[in-house]
Amino acid sequence: RKEVEQDPGPFNVPEGATVAFNCTYSNSASQSFFWYRQDCRKEPKLLMSVYSSGNEDGRFTAQLNRASQYISLLIRDSKLSDSATYLCVVNGGSGTYKYIFGTGTRLKVLA
Amino acid sequence: GAVVSQHPSRVICKSGTSVKIECRSLDFQATTMFWYRQFPKQSLMLMATSNEGSKATYEQGVEKDKFLINHASLTLSTLTVTSAHPEDSSFYICSATSGGAVETQYFGPGTRLLVL
Repeated sequence: RKEVEQDPGPFNVPEGATVAFNCTYSNSASQSFFWYRQDCRKEPKLLMSVYSSGNEDGRFTAQLNRASQYISLLIRDSKLSDSATYLCVVNGGSGTYKYIFGTGTRLKVLA
Repeated sequence: GAVVSQHPSRVICKSGTSVKIECRSLDFQATTMFWYRQFPKQSLMLMATSNEGSKATYEQGVEKDKFLINHASLTLSTLTVTSAHPEDSSFYICSATSGGAVETQYFGPGTRLLVL
């Protein structure tokens, strides 16, 4: 089983749609969780950290379920510029700064 | 956010040559830097963790004699791909963290290596 699993997609959605991505992780000792966005041939950029209480940043909402070891990202009112690969990232456990990356979910927002 | 630079952004070299990639944290001191490799349509794979002033910790399957890492200062880490071969062609990305309670990694723009 992969340490961090994501549906690779692609998700093709029309502008204005709401889309949700899910991610599961295997290491119950992981303490920090993130969603990164990666555009083609570019480096990953932090989209948002994920907290147990859930957090929202504009059109983006992230949720963490520690019991199920599950993380989600919801994008509302999709824009063309949201087209990218979304990477679920989990830290390697307590006392480490190592990141474990999921394979990413490709999103394409269509006009 | 914090800024991390990488140089060069792209390099093409002949098989058998060595290539050095620099990673710099421009506006903060990076106690830890990470080196990743990403092949097309795959995710980032951690190669090694680099701590200032100490030897790098390599992930399983990564040859330390092939991928030499030096982290001589709090703002600079270098990765040298020795005797590069075509299968080493990849996108190499570094990241840096300032440590402490803040675990966010800031990524460099990456270096695209093509070995002919």
